Amino acid sequence: ETGVTQTPRHLVMGMTNKKSLKCEQHLGHNAMYWYKQSAKKPLELMFVYSLEERVENNSVPSRFSPECPNSSHLFLHLHTLQPEDSALYLCASSHGQWGEAFFGQGTRLTVV
Amino acid sequence: KNQVEQSPQSLIILEGKNCTLQCNYTVSPFSNLRWYKQDTGRGPVSLTIMTFSENTKSNGRYTATLDADTKQSSLHITASQLSDSASYICVVSPSGGSYIPTFGRGTSLIVHP
Repeated sequence: ETGVTQTPRHLVMGMTNKKSLKCEQHLGHNAMYWYKQSAKKPLELMFVYSLEERVENNSVPSRFSPECPNSSHLFLHLHTLQPEDSALYLCASSHGQWGEAFFGQGTRLTVV
Repeated sequence: KNQVEQSPQSLIILEGKNCTLQCNYTVSPFSNLRWYKQDTGRGPVSLTIMTFSENTKSNGRYTATLDADTKQSSLHITASQLSDSASYICVVSPSGGSYIPTFGRGTSLIVHP
């Protein structure tokens, strides 16, 4: 295991549902990330939280809302998603912003 | 625009054979290049990291090379094993500006017995 734990591993939700993805890291890192991985596409950075700053990819729609209550926990709140949001959502952490990223197992999200 | 191109898109080899994966990038100024291995249904795991001054780095049967002049990197896998079947992702980070790394699409490797 990489020390980064994501729950749930799989999630199926309707377009009107509200759900949250959770990520927890036990590595003592001070930066955490959300990435989206769609089939045949490169990993897409969604959000970054670190001591230095919060970084947002401006192309991420507002139906995705991150929350980082402390350096060990990261959430991604989902509401009124679309079928094209179906993807693998990966959480990662690093020592220092943009340091070597340690990834969780991912949450496979299906929007129906 | 920073880009990372990987080739081939997919590769099938027999167990025990060697293979080489390619990564070309336009990221500038350059800070470092990482190769990740991603097993199906799992998150990526780092294999190697290379900085500007490094030409080659090994991690067991994996050997990465870097030519910063031509902006090319390769990942050579020796004596492949069934467990090498995975997606291999090249990630290049800039040294300035946004510092946001650029990911390649990955090469899907299948090792057959």
